[in-house]
Amino acid sequence: AQKITQTQPGMFVQEKEAVTLDCTYDTSDQSYGLFWYKQPSSGEMIFLIYQGSYDEQNATEGRYSLNFQKARKSANLVISASQLGDSAMYFCAMRGNTNAGKSTFGDGTTLTVKP
Amino acid sequence: AAGVIQSPRHLIKEKRETATLKCYPIPRHDTVYWYQQGPGQDPQFLISFYEKMQSDKGSIPDRFSAQQFSDYHSELNMSSLELGDSALYFCASSPRPAPGEKLFFGSGTQLSVL
Repeated sequence: AQKITQTQPGMFVQEKEAVTLDCTYDTSDQSYGLFWYKQPSSGEMIFLIYQGSYDEQNATEGRYSLNFQKARKSANLVISASQLGDSAMYFCAMRGNTNAGKSTFGDGTTLTVKP
Repeated sequence: AAGVIQSPRHLIKEKRETATLKCYPIPRHDTVYWYQQGPGQDPQFLISFYEKMQSDKGSIPDRFSAQQFSDYHSELNMSSLELGDSALYFCASSPRPAPGEKLFFGSGTQLSVL
């Protein structure tokens, strides 16, 4: 079984500052992928960043980076230089090789960027 | 670029009615996933298909059924609708069901059961 834990229901950040959204996971799979998705108030789900379990380097995509600590089973999302448009719900998700036909999502973190 | 297309965008039904949601994946994506997201909740995995066969099954009620057709589009059929079925239903697609494949989501179908 896979489990994703996001312990921050809500986060606030000042515009132009960096923010870290926490994600820990649990799985017995040796091979797995970790993902972050953004869901604005409009409802669509937007892929942000991916980290493979065998990737040695932390993933980066523009202002998004993933702080992957495999031994601690954590995959925190770091957003640099926050913008007002970053205000949204953020979901951490994973999929493993034994149940690759599904992705498991965490409860989500609501990020509010203050001007 | 082509995206995942879901129809309808909004659907209003009454209790005990049936509903059919449709999903057209990105071309050359052989895998389709269905998720249910209640208000303020995370997406809950319902079911997935790969090459027209069921790939994985999640918390899909027995009242629901789904299939993937020869053109890879998928339909989620929901019968004997209950108030608790009101939710945003997402379809997603990927080339194949693998740990490294990200999901491409459609815009969702907002189902309201009255």
